[in-house]
Amino acid sequence: SQKIEQNSEALNIQEGKTATLTCNYTNYSPAYLQWYRQDPGRGPVFLLLIRENEKEKRKERLKVTFDTTLKQSLFHITASQPADSATYLCALEGNTGFQKLVFGTGTRLLVSP
Amino acid sequence: DTAVSQTPKYLVTQMGNDKSIKCEQNLGHDTMYWYKQDSKKFLKIMFSYNNKELIINETVPNRFSPKSPDKAHLNLHINSLELGDSAVYFCASSPLTTGPREKLFFGSGTQLSVL
Repeated sequence: SQKIEQNSEALNIQEGKTATLTCNYTNYSPAYLQWYRQDPGRGPVFLLLIRENEKEKRKERLKVTFDTTLKQSLFHITASQPADSATYLCALEGNTGFQKLVFGTGTRLLVSP
Repeated sequence: DTAVSQTPKYLVTQMGNDKSIKCEQNLGHDTMYWYKQDSKKFLKIMFSYNNKELIINETVPNRFSPKSPDKAHLNLHINSLELGDSAVYFCASSPLTTGPREKLFFGSGTQLSVL
């Protein structure tokens, strides 16, 4: 069956450290993968998109890798800040004929001062 | 200016009632969606409309009926509400592309509580 798995347990780190979140998928062949941030009571907000032919993508303190062999994406936040505390969702295109984004369950990140 | 706005923010109602959630986007996008986020925070697509035409219907009970009067609006009407319908419903939009789907823009959600 198709799955998109992210760590269900919250990730607690100290301010200034690098946070690394994992997204693993099964029985998908995505051409690209996206990462979103969701704050409590708000809708998800797009952060980064990485295509299958890209190994790595960066945006300011954010870095995403995409390994289609391992079927995994890693999302890094360097020099993390308490304001980075949120739930982070990965999303990829389903295998149906029409593009639709399928989301992982999300990982909650808590950055302590 | 809010890009994707949905109303109401909160909706509390009794079982068996009928309710509607409205969504509007001012981004000029052609595609709009409804997603449901359950208590475990799992975000699942329900419907997708492309320029007023239904594209995706993810085996949602027919008590849920989306309506798109124009490409800037996608409303969700729910008949005979059940306890299991309690969730947060998100509207989203994206520009139409022939290639990989571009990023989605989400509204702030409607928290539906069925008592």
